[in-house]
Amino acid sequence: EAQVTQNPRYLITVTGKKLTVTCSQNMNHEYMSWYRQDPGLGLRQIYYSMNVEVTDKGDVPEGYKVSRKEKRNFPLILESPSPNQTSLYFCASSSRLDGGYEQYFGPGTRLTVT
Amino acid sequence: AQSVTQLDSHVSVSEGTPVLLRCNYSSSYSPSLFWYVQHPNKGLQLLLKYTSAATLVKGINGFEAEFKKSETSFHLTKPSAHMSDAAEYFCVVSGNFGNEKLTFGTGTRLTIIP
Repeated sequence: EAQVTQNPRYLITVTGKKLTVTCSQNMNHEYMSWYRQDPGLGLRQIYYSMNVEVTDKGDVPEGYKVSRKEKRNFPLILESPSPNQTSLYFCASSSRLDGGYEQYFGPGTRLTVT
Repeated sequence: AQSVTQLDSHVSVSEGTPVLLRCNYSSSYSPSLFWYVQHPNKGLQLLLKYTSAATLVKGINGFEAEFKKSETSFHLTKPSAHMSDAAEYFCVVSGNFGNEKLTFGTGTRLTIIP
């Protein structure tokens, strides 16, 4: 089954404790992105990747890091989480073959930073 | 630069009546436009997309949208609402190619009254 998976689905952590949210897709997609969703703000792009070893900042990259060492994986790293990073996070992937027009979203990771 | 404005944060309609969710966009390029739906506690699913072909776009579940360049609008409609349509809907704009940075609207919550 074609899918984007994220882990963990739910995470409660404390300020300053480094964490990683994993994202993996099994569709051989070139493009991958991370978004955060906050009430009243819609989804905002954090980082995106056009291919392996190619990443770029989105609208709200501060406080986040990403890497793309393998095509299927695109982890999101919070080196020192803060309460304002409490949010719902989505990973998405899309294919260069159709111009990347359809984004396939993971199920989301709900992060709470206390 | 690009932006999207969803004109209503909340829309309520009775089951069996028409649905209209309004979206205006701004883009320096010929945009690609999308509508995504998010059911409660679920990820996002593509409803339909406009990629410079036919201006009237048909999507899944009986939804359609019309691209009007002169009005910079991409409103989502459905002739007859169903209880299962209750969800949050996002209008999304991208650049020339769908893989470029996506900009999401703030969302419209659709409530269906039995």
